[in-house]
Amino acid sequence: DAGITQSPRHKVTETGTPVTLRCHQTENHRYMYWYRQDPGHGLRLIHYSYGVKDTDKGEVSDGYSVSRSKTEDFLLTLESATSSQTSVYFCAISQTGRLASTGELFFGEGSRLTVL
Amino acid sequence: QQQVKQSPQSLIVQKGGISIINCAYENTAFDYFPWYQQFPGKGPALLIAIRPDVSEKKEGRFTISFNKSAKQFSLHIMDSQPGDSATYFCAASTNSGAGSYQLTFGKGTKLSVIP
Repeated sequence: DAGITQSPRHKVTETGTPVTLRCHQTENHRYMYWYRQDPGHGLRLIHYSYGVKDTDKGEVSDGYSVSRSKTEDFLLTLESATSSQTSVYFCAISQTGRLASTGELFFGEGSRLTVL
Repeated sequence: QQQVKQSPQSLIVQKGGISIINCAYENTAFDYFPWYQQFPGKGPALLIAIRPDVSEKKEGRFTISFNKSAKQFSLHIMDSQPGDSATYFCAASTNSGAGSYQLTFGKGTKLSVIP
């Protein structure tokens, strides 16, 4: 298994509170991603990073921010959680940004967030 | 808008049968088409992938068929087994420039293989 650790794995919080999810990798991969998975929507990209302090928005970035101060850590922050952000969040890593040349995106095991 | 449309949403197949999942896309700039398999409580994992210059790729019991002109691709699972029961996602990616990319996923197909 790829060395990806997500924390926390489960969290229940209340509307309006800040939440930070952490993704830690031991593979020294340059690219890191945050996806959310919801029934009927599949996997949707929130934000991604192509290097330390280099990040960009994905398809569903509203209400989320990210930071990457070290190669191995990519943080996802919900500044003020809402019920619509109840989801399973997956971190993923890849060696390069062009998957056709490397063939694989590695996923963590997910963080289940419930916002009441 | 970059979309990948996946069908069916759910699929029940008898053990030993063939499972077929279909995907269609619109963006002709997509240059990589992977399939991911996800078991409950786990993250998705790459199953098999194809590039648009190839019409078919086979790995064991899993085959991707790719029709570039129709902008469609499909996953065939031969001799389906109960252990294949999982959710399958097709996806497509394009190089969005500046060395980065975006991988667009279909909405998933929940496959149940019954004995």
